[in-house]
Amino acid sequence: QAVLTQPSSLSASPGASASLTCTLRSGLNVGSYTMYWFQQKSGSLPQYLLWYKSDSEKQQGSGVPSRFSGSKDVSANAGILLISGLQSEDEGDYYCLIWHSDAWVFGGGTKLTVL
Amino acid sequence: EVQLVESGGDLVQPGGSLRLSCAASGFLVNTNFMSWVRQAPGKGPEWVSIIYRDGKKTFYADSVKGRFTISRDNSKNTLYLQMNSLRPEDTAIYYCTHDGEDGWDPFDVWGQGTKVIVSS
Repeated sequence: QAVLTQPSSLSASPGASASLTCTLRSGLNVGSYTMYWFQQKSGSLPQYLLWYKSDSEKQQGSGVPSRFSGSKDVSANAGILLISGLQSEDEGDYYCLIWHSDAWVFGGGTKLTVL
Repeated sequence: EVQLVESGGDLVQPGGSLRLSCAASGFLVNTNFMSWVRQAPGKGPEWVSIIYRDGKKTFYADSVKGRFTISRDNSKNTLYLQMNSLRPEDTAIYYCTHDGEDGWDPFDVWGQGTKVIVSS
């Protein structure tokens, strides 16, 4: 079982909100991890968006709009990237990342389509 | 301005070796954490290896452990990745990244990448 699991795709309408989840493998506790989020648009390198550990421990990337925010669903053992007020430019692949067992681990990514 | 320029990618046969280089400017490699990340065509990024600021601690993804070695030359301000026993599944674009002075800004800056193709 992969350490981090993301839905492969998600579609949402312009102006709506999108909630991208990143679920930790059973046996790992999402509360113990800082979760990073990256956005990758077609033909470009991944770009750091933000990291979130708790409401008191979080950081927004430089220049990243406030409509991108992080949170956790402890009951689901998952990190969440919430994008509000979706715009067409938000289309792309989104990856979560944690430091686990002396390694950086990416999730498999979610392809977000705004239509 | 922090800049990273990779080189050394090539077409190599399975079982072969390559050494990738990453010339850094705008910062000193011996005062920062640095990683190698790869991305195969149509796939997501995969972290490969990290070297700590002290130059002594290094870690590897399970997929490359025992085959790849990360190192650096402080006098040349350059990061390296020695890749041995290459496999077709190692085919990817390899990027070096600047991870900040404390290591908690992973993949803050990326180079342009160097392509490695492992094929007979």
